[in-house]
This record gives sequence, C-alpha cells and structure tokens, in this order.
Amino acid sequence: AQSVAQPEDQVNVAEGNPLTVKCTYSVSGNPYLFWYVQYPNRGLQFLLKYITGDNLVKGSYGFEAEFNKSQTSFHLKKPSALVSDSALYFCAVRDLSYTGTASKLTFGTGTRLQVTL
Amino acid sequence: DGGITQSPKYLFRKEGQNVTLSCEQNLNHDAMYWYRQDPGQGLRLIYYSQIVNDFQKGDIAEGYSVSREKKESFPLTVTSAQKNPTAFYLCASSPADGGEKLFFGSGTQLSVL
Repeated sequence: AQSVAQPEDQVNVAEGNPLTVKCTYSVSGNPYLFWYVQYPNRGLQFLLKYITGDNLVKGSYGFEAEFNKSQTSFHLKKPSALVSDSALYFCAVRDLSYTGTASKLTFGTGTRLQVTL
Repeated sequence: DGGITQSPKYLFRKEGQNVTLSCEQNLNHDAMYWYRQDPGQGLRLIYYSQIVNDFQKGDIAEGYSVSREKKESFPLTVTSAQKNPTAFYLCASSPADGGEKLFFGSGTQLSVL
C-alpha cells in the first residue's frame, strides 16, 4: 500500500528565511504526489502536484517542491517565508492500486508551519 | 460563485443519534469524497463516489453511510454505530480523470454531547 510520511510535526522559520517542509513517500510504481495547505477551521487548498516531467514543480503562492526519486522525497520549499504562510501543510499520494476515475489520495499527518517576525 | 458548500459548520450529536452532514458542489465534478480529520492523524478517507448512484468504502467506513442520488450532492450520515464521531469532516470533489486535484469544502466540526 502507498503511504507518505511527514517527519516533522512543526517547522519554525523567521520571515524572510527559506523554508522546507519534508515529505517522503512509499509507492509501487511512479507516484502522483500533491501538497495541500490548510488554514485554521478551513478546508484544504491545493498548492501543487507532481505526476511526471520536471523534478522541480512550481505551485501557488510562491511554493515549489522537488521530486527526488532516489530519496523517495517530495519536499515543499519557498525561498522567502511570510507570516501569512503559517498554516498546516499536507503531503498526499494517489493510490496507484485504484484504477477508477476518482482521485483517491492518502494524506500524511501534516506539518504545522509557524513563521515569525 | 463556484465551490463546495458544507453545512452545518458545527454539529452536535447525542448518544444513539444519527446525524447527516451536507455537501453540495456546483463545479460539475463527477467524483466526490468524505474525509475525517483528527489531530495528529491527518485525513482519512471515509467514502468516495466516482459518479452518480455509485459510491465505495474508503479506509474507515464503519459507522458511516452515504448516498449519491444527484451529481451535486453527497451527504454523509454518521450513525449511532460510530462510537467516536468527534472530528472535523471534510468533503471534496474532483473531475473524474484520476490525477486531478481535490477541491475541499470548509468542513463540519462534529462533537458529541
């Protein structure tokens, strides 16, 4: 079965500094990988996805993620953090054993990003 | 204004009571989903539906039921068989091509009285 792991419960970074939120995956085959962000008491918002192609994926709000097949990682990055980036971030992988047309995802446990002045 | 609407925002359940969470979308998406979110556990899939009149169990379907009579609507019933229903429930939808992103509603917080 596929899975994703987010090893850090919380990441703290000062505004203006680069940020990295880590994600590793375990799948059989080529993964479909996603990052979502959740602000307090809200649903999740899509940030970016990797299906195939360039290993560096650019997404919303200045975020990007680097797919690394040898390390089975898909870390989320941003060159300069903002206080408004403070939120809960989820990595997800599509279930490749499912052959239907729905986008059946398995989510990580989430990483809380705290950006301070 | 397109999107997914979940209601109510807060819901309280008494012991032995069934409650229904509403989810409506006007995005013309074929696929819809229900996730449960608990602190420190991420999101877990309860049920999903590829198309009208079809739905499948997810990873934690016990104690829940759904229906998909209309493309726009995918209500979730939390039955009395669900012994630990307190959680944040998220509904989502997506186009039905397997690799697309999910669009989420704002969630319903269910608590037990």
